[in-house]
Amino acid sequence: ETGVTQTPRHLVMGMTNKKSLKCEQHLGHNAMYWYKQSAKKPLELMFVYSLEERVENNSVPSRFSPECPNSSHLFLHLHTLQPEDSALYLCASSQGTSGGTYNEQFFGPGTRLTVL
Amino acid sequence: KQEVTQIPAALSVPEGENLVLNCSFTDSAIYNLQWFRQDPGKGLTSLLLIQSSQREQTSGRLNASLDKSSGRSTLYIAASQPGDSATYLCAVRSNTGGFKTIFGAGTRLFVKA
Repeated sequence: ETGVTQTPRHLVMGMTNKKSLKCEQHLGHNAMYWYKQSAKKPLELMFVYSLEERVENNSVPSRFSPECPNSSHLFLHLHTLQPEDSALYLCASSQGTSGGTYNEQFFGPGTRLTVL
Repeated sequence: KQEVTQIPAALSVPEGENLVLNCSFTDSAIYNLQWFRQDPGKGLTSLLLIQSSQREQTSGRLNASLDKSSGRSTLYIAASQPGDSATYLCAVRSNTGGFKTIFGAGTRLFVKA
């Protein structure tokens, strides 16, 4: 596989479920990102990892828990979500960061999450 | 708390026209500002990145300016083409107690052939 892949592509879960979103990049990048895109709100950058260390956390509720075990994989663990968390979750990767300067990002197709 | 506003929300212009998209932010203590485009059903493409110490950046037909004191950035597109049709997003990054990035709601641009 090439580029950035995300699984699953679609996910429906109840508010008491625990699920995880997975992102994998095959580009040799060392920075990865989680974004949330809701229908009626601006795009939100949730987390940024550089060399497996979290370098940006944009006040995301603790029911979203990111994990970056290595530079190729990024997870978003979900638990006790609310219906308003329903959105498209996008993963991206880039080659390096320099402080708050994020180089060109390559995006995955996203996971469409619906919380019932 | 930083707030980012983009005006207009939508814009339709004939091909060949020069146009300006606006982005305003409430807290001038920014680290950098970045313009992106998003095509329907796709991720973001980075267009221009302006560091807080810079006034403008140019790439081809695009020119972005930054005026921190007034909390404004503009994206100028020269000689617009139908392929420029997309949503343009402005993202403001600050470094107060850690990096934070706030996006505007975007301007949806349609360039008519």
